[in-house]
Amino acid sequence: KNQVEQSPQSLIILEGKNCTLQCNYTVSPFSNLRWYKQDTGRGPVSLTIMTFSENTKSNGRYTATLDADTKQSSLHITASQLSDSASYICVVSAISNFGNEKLTFGTGTRLTIIP
Amino acid sequence: DGGITQSPKYLFRKEGQNVTLSCEQNLNHDAMYWYRQDPGQGLRLIYYSQIVNDFQKGDIAEGYSVSREKKESFPLTVTSAQKNPTAFYLCASRMGAITGNTIYFGEGSWLTVV
Repeated sequence: KNQVEQSPQSLIILEGKNCTLQCNYTVSPFSNLRWYKQDTGRGPVSLTIMTFSENTKSNGRYTATLDADTKQSSLHITASQLSDSASYICVVSAISNFGNEKLTFGTGTRLTIIP
Repeated sequence: DGGITQSPKYLFRKEGQNVTLSCEQNLNHDAMYWYRQDPGQGLRLIYYSQIVNDFQKGDIAEGYSVSREKKESFPLTVTSAQKNPTAFYLCASRMGAITGNTIYFGEGSWLTVV
């Protein structure tokens, strides 16, 4: 069964500090991995998409890493800001027998930045 | 502005009633999706459509129905057969069901059964 596990479940850090969120997956056959940011009560917004051959991708202060061998990904946030308070969702894609892309969503890490 | 518009944002339904959630996109995207989000769970796929006049069941389609008569519209009906409909519903779209394409989400609709 395809699964995506994220840790920690929640995290509180001081404004200006860095943090790293983790994503472990058991999805096969792997196609790509995505990170989304979701503010409370709003729709998720895409941060990065990484394929098998990519091990690092950045989007501003967000840097995602992927280790396809160990099936792990991380999202590093640098110099956190109050606006970074949100849930961060890891999404892993597999290709079905019919060639369709099937997405498995993690439950997210709830990040709170305090001043 | 280009994007995905979901309405209403908040909806209350009495048990036994059907309700329809609207989803409109002006991104000229071919594929559209409906997801359900519950506390402590990842998003789950209800229905998806890759082209007009065609749609497929997702993982939790029971108690739901959709239509895709126009490219830009993909309404979701929550029927009385859905046993636990209270949830946050998200509509999404992307340009073709091509692997790796960015999936864009609407702002979501909260449905509460009273």
